[in-house]
Amino acid sequence: AQTVTQSQPEMSVQEAETVTLSCTYDTSESDYYLFWYKQPPSRQMILVIRQEAYKQQNATENRFSVNFQKAAKSFSLKISDSQLGDAAMYFCAYRQPTSGTYKYIFGTGTRLKVLA
Amino acid sequence: DSGVTQTPKHLITATGQRVTLRCSPRSGDLSVYWYQQSLDQGLQFLIQYYNGEERAKGNILERFSAQQFPDLHSELNLSSLELGDSALYFCASSVTGYTGELFFGEGSRLTVL
Repeated sequence: AQTVTQSQPEMSVQEAETVTLSCTYDTSESDYYLFWYKQPPSRQMILVIRQEAYKQQNATENRFSVNFQKAAKSFSLKISDSQLGDAAMYFCAYRQPTSGTYKYIFGTGTRLKVLA
Repeated sequence: DSGVTQTPKHLITATGQRVTLRCSPRSGDLSVYWYQQSLDQGLQFLIQYYNGEERAKGNILERFSAQQFPDLHSELNLSSLELGDSALYFCASSVTGYTGELFFGEGSRLTVL
């Protein structure tokens, strides 16, 4: 069964600094998607970034980028120039296509604190 | 605004009662997913519907049931409620096929007293 592991329950970063959140996953599939979602105190789930497994190039969205290592099954999120608004829970997620049913598996989350 | 609408936003009820949570997916999305998030916990997948049919089941209790109607809105029914059922219940929808991501509603916060 597929699993997603976020080994850092909590991380802290100084404002304007860079932080990397770790995520590893286990799958025997070659075709899948990976996501990072942000959940601020409002509890709304917001998509941060998406990576298709068949793409070798790492996805970037403004200050957010990923380091996707397919062979190592690693998918870390780097936040550059951290801002106070980045403080949130961050969830890594894996999506497996299975005969038209797309199963999404979420990690347990990493709480990011941004220090002023 | 994700385009996914959930009602009610907040619900307080007593143990043993039954509640219904409602979800309207984004226009055009055929898939609806339900997740449960207890306090400071991750997201637990409950169930998925695609175009009215159940497609996948997760850790959904027998006291819980769901359905997706012809107009694609979905309802999650929770019965014989227990204190431990207090949680945030998310509905999410997705486009069939390519783009991949889930679009989440704002959640329904259930408190069982």
